[in-house]
Amino acid sequence: NAGVTQTPKFQVLKTGQSMTLQCAQDMNHNSMYWYRQDPGMGLRLIYYSASEGTTDKGEVPNGYNVSRLNKREFSLRLESAAPSQTSVYFCASRVKAAGGFYGYTFGSGTRLTVV
Amino acid sequence: AQSVTQLGSHVSVSEGALVLLRCNYSSSVPPYLFWYVQYPNQGLQLLLKYTTGATLVKGINGFEAEFKKSETSFHLTKPSAHMSDAAEYFCAVSGGFNAGGTSYGKLTFGQGTILTVHP
Repeated sequence: NAGVTQTPKFQVLKTGQSMTLQCAQDMNHNSMYWYRQDPGMGLRLIYYSASEGTTDKGEVPNGYNVSRLNKREFSLRLESAAPSQTSVYFCASRVKAAGGFYGYTFGSGTRLTVV
Repeated sequence: AQSVTQLGSHVSVSEGALVLLRCNYSSSVPPYLFWYVQYPNQGLQLLLKYTTGATLVKGINGFEAEFKKSETSFHLTKPSAHMSDAAEYFCAVSGGFNAGGTSYGKLTFGQGTILTVHP
């Protein structure tokens, strides 16, 4: 099925543990994004990758690292998880269509709890 | 720089009543504007988007929004609410690709508005 696939869907970590959230898209999109969603704050951009081989910080990058492994995959790593990183994480990809319009496709999210 | 403000974190309407969710934006470049809906414990679903052309945009489930450049607004409306419309709604703005800048199509979201529909 075409779309953005995130794994895992749920995860519980202990403070200080590390983990990598995986994201893959099969739509040949150039740009990919990681967002976190917290109540009352909407979705905030953590990191993005405009194209394969490039990454850049978004609004809330502290405590995270990313890797754009290839055009399909964009992973988010928490090196030392903190309770403040308890959130729902969404991966998204974007393509510029022939008409100049933009479409975004979101994954189903990863619900992360840090205890 | 770009930002989105959604007026009202909670909106409550009766079934059959008009739904109006307010969104104001700021953008340094011509904006692309979006409304997304999120049902409990689910991902984001695109309701509608404005890119160029007609300023009144129709979306799914009977929703529509009007881009008003002079007011920097993109309010979401639906003439008659249904119980199934209860969800959280997000307005978002994207400045598009900027070859000389750094926007790279970043999508900036508002804080969200939770819509409750009463019988």
